[in-house]
Amino acid sequence: DAKTTQPTSMDCAEGRAANLPCNHSTISGNEYVYWYRQIHSQGPQYIIHGLKNNETNEMASLIITEDRKSSTLILPHATLRDTAVYYCIVRFPTSGTYKYIFGTGTRLKVLA
Amino acid sequence: SAVISQKPSRDICQRGTSLTIQCQVDSQVTMMFWYRQQPGQSLTLIATANQGSEATYESGFVIDKFPISRPNLTFSTLTVSNMSPEDSSIYLCSSAWGTEAFFGQGTRLTVV
Repeated sequence: DAKTTQPTSMDCAEGRAANLPCNHSTISGNEYVYWYRQIHSQGPQYIIHGLKNNETNEMASLIITEDRKSSTLILPHATLRDTAVYYCIVRFPTSGTYKYIFGTGTRLKVLA
Repeated sequence: SAVISQKPSRDICQRGTSLTIQCQVDSQVTMMFWYRQQPGQSLTLIATANQGSEATYESGFVIDKFPISRPNLTFSTLTVSNMSPEDSSIYLCSSAWGTEAFFGQGTRLTVV
């Protein structure tokens, strides 16, 4: 199972872009990269996912390197409400479904 | 999207007893997943539950300790058996809908 490594914590000034890196050097060709966040012990919330192309939605952008060994989640204009733990996850197929294996997460603190 | 409801939201239990956590999804789903989140830690997958068959447990988790039921396509239960203080954690139910995984708000269990 592909594993992910993330920095333990990061700070970001309010209004600036938050760039959260993730390393997944053992990822396989059919395994997707997902990002979720968890705010103060609530259930994890979906942010974005991708396979090999860069992706953007209303919440964030996901940049995946060409070799797919790492990725970066970008929150373009961080707000105080973006303070949370951000998890980089590899989703891989198994027995007709998928497993979502969580990394250790990055605790992002957005500073006023 | 899918909405997942968990009950109870929290409980304090005596060691040696068992607690059953219920998970209800507002849509029919093939697979449901149970996670444990120990204090300050990431989410760890306990098992995957398919309707009508035995759950598949991850390494380090056994059916005797965490029996799971999956009686239909919208419901599952996880029992934490013969509890000890080390079982104090948040337990989360999850399922996949389309390309996303959705999570319940979790059950915060404290064993005294």
